[in-house]
Amino acid sequence: QVQLVESGGGVVQPGRSLRLSCAASGFIFNSYAMNWVRQAPGKGLEWVAIMSYDGSNKYYADSVKGRFTVSRDNSKNTLYLQMNSLRAEDTAVYYCARDPCSGTNCYGGGYFDYWGQGILVTVSS
Amino acid sequence: DIQMTQSPSSVSASVGDRVTITCRASQGISSWLAWYQQKPGKAPNLLIYTASNLQSGVPSRFSGSGSGTDFTLIISSLQPEDFATYFCQQTNSFPRTFGQGTKVEIK
Repeated sequence: QVQLVESGGGVVQPGRSLRLSCAASGFIFNSYAMNWVRQAPGKGLEWVAIMSYDGSNKYYADSVKGRFTVSRDNSKNTLYLQMNSLRAEDTAVYYCARDPCSGTNCYGGGYFDYWGQGILVTVSS
Repeated sequence: DIQMTQSPSSVSASVGDRVTITCRASQGISSWLAWYQQKPGKAPNLLIYTASNLQSGVPSRFSGSGSGTDFTLIISSLQPEDFATYFCQQTNSFPRTFGQGTKVEIK
């Protein structure tokens, strides 16, 4: 069965960095685009970033552009989110989520059919 | 960016009730809309994609409709396990955006 397991969260001071990982299993990882979605405590869902199956295409939310970098290692079936210059407003549960398509702009995709359990990132001094 | 607006923000209902949640996009998105259910402390779960397609394993009491700017999620007969928060999401363009959520509570 499809499994997505996030790790790397924790408490970090403003301005510092953190790298999240998402280990995938149960499906052919290098055939799917992957996303990061976050949810601030008690708030709604915010899409963060997407990377295509081969890493050739990626998009970011404006709120993280220039600070966060999404990457993947298909040999390790793992998705990453490098988060730099963290701010208090980045405090959230971060989910990795699978797109049903391989590319970032495929017809009929763009939703999230499998999600990890989420990992909490707290930015606080 | 495409803004997604859900209504109501919350609804109180009883087991067996029919519940309707609406989602409006700030511009036309054809049928590029998904619905998710989220229970406290859990990840969202995909219910509906492309406005009306039921995700595998999702009970048939859930249905979706609409196109353009106006969409509806219907729970035909509310069950105890359906008390949760529901989100719509547009899949038309980047950035992907979600509605603010509709909390379905026990009456």
